[in-house]
Amino acid sequence: NAGVMQNPRHLVRRRGQEARLRCSPVKGHSHVYWYRQLPEEGLKFMVYLQKENIIDESGMPKERFSAEFPKEGPSILRIQQVVRGDSAAYFCASSPSRGRTEAFFGQGTRLTVV
Amino acid sequence: AQTVTQSQPEMSVQEAETVTLSCTYDTSESDYYLFWYKQPPSRQMILVIRQEAYKQQNATENRFSVNFQKAAKSFSLKISDSQLGDAAMYFCAYRTQGGSEKLVFGKGTKLTVNP
Repeated sequence: NAGVMQNPRHLVRRRGQEARLRCSPVKGHSHVYWYRQLPEEGLKFMVYLQKENIIDESGMPKERFSAEFPKEGPSILRIQQVVRGDSAAYFCASSPSRGRTEAFFGQGTRLTVV
Repeated sequence: AQTVTQSQPEMSVQEAETVTLSCTYDTSESDYYLFWYKQPPSRQMILVIRQEAYKQQNATENRFSVNFQKAAKSFSLKISDSQLGDAAMYFCAYRTQGGSEKLVFGKGTKLTVNP
């Protein structure tokens, strides 16, 4: 699972700025999941993407948050006009297909909003 | 909606002893997966063990084993011969078979291993 690369590991943003979190899945994986972990909490699902498509965004806040997984390049989770409550660890996981396969996690990006 | 409950926020165990972490879940589905993940201070989510709901046999991975009680919707993790490196947060997770196959996590149990 070390193949899922997230960057940056740590990101500090002032309130009102934009945050861009990147996730490069394991080579050959076309399914990407984003999760958010608030302090002292478990991970909560945000969005599920396949190449160029958002499949399930039921966990995404309705405003300020967006995600993409282009044909080429990493998946991006974008948070506009960040607020203190966005401070959390954001994890990306990838899998090669649906079905009886497990997802592999990256090490996460810790976003701190000051 | 599926929910996962871990009723033990913290647990401790002596090195070389055995400890059991509890997990219950709620679902109306019959086919699903259950997982235990370990999260050390590095934050990396490490898969410890997984169980397929259609399999009656409990999964085992070296010193880690589960007690899967499907009717009771219980999925506990037993760690035998505990080692200092086992100290971490442990998360129980549920995944549907079909749909988006997203993971639903419990809030975690912090395990301390005492030398």
